[in-house]
Amino acid sequence: AAGVIQSPRHLIKEKRETATLKCYPIPRHDTVYWYQQGPGQDPQFLISFYEKMQSDKGSIPDRFSAQQFSDYHSELNMSSLELGDSALYFCASSHDPPRLAGVGQFFGPGTRLTVL
Amino acid sequence: AQSVTQLGSHVSVSEGALVLLRCNYSSSVPPYLFWYVQYPNQGLQLLLKYTSAATLVKGINGFEAEFKKSETSFHLTKPSAHMSDAAEYFCAVSLNQGGKLIFGQGTELSVKP
Repeated sequence: AAGVIQSPRHLIKEKRETATLKCYPIPRHDTVYWYQQGPGQDPQFLISFYEKMQSDKGSIPDRFSAQQFSDYHSELNMSSLELGDSALYFCASSHDPPRLAGVGQFFGPGTRLTVL
Repeated sequence: AQSVTQLGSHVSVSEGALVLLRCNYSSSVPPYLFWYVQYPNQGLQLLLKYTSAATLVKGINGFEAEFKKSETSFHLTKPSAHMSDAAEYFCAVSLNQGGKLIFGQGTELSVKP
């Protein structure tokens, strides 16, 4: 079965650079979630999209922005990178609208971002 | 506000022994509860979920969890541990199955031969 695809899998950047992470949800999943997992930490919700509109926002820095495109893939744009942005970034998708019952979220393998 | 507490950041069991990973939640409304497993350098895999149907939920790999409203708990169990069960386990809560997940701190399970 098709899974959530994230690219790149690994990314190394310098401080103050920018990074773009991409997420391709499972086919027919129109809700996408982004999570950040710092070293030894639990995943923290950043932002979510449903039908190409932002549906919820968590602890996402103002330096970060995200969007969902017409083909439902999503991109997380990160600017002015800081050392503390080094983390594993997960994308998850669901075929349920955020406020309706369903089968839960399916996670991608993550993008490991290292900021030097 | 919702929150999840996992008791014990690290649990070690012998192969063949019972696995018990504890999770307590707080929520002002009936929650949806999930257990995810994360193997090293991999994503999160859904083990099982509680969605207000049966209180005893069976998941993959022989795991199950019981929702106890009176105790606000959703502990994960497996009768007999296998070496391949060694991983990080996260309990998570959501107000609905489609909404954002709030994760617990995680419990690292080690399985000794």
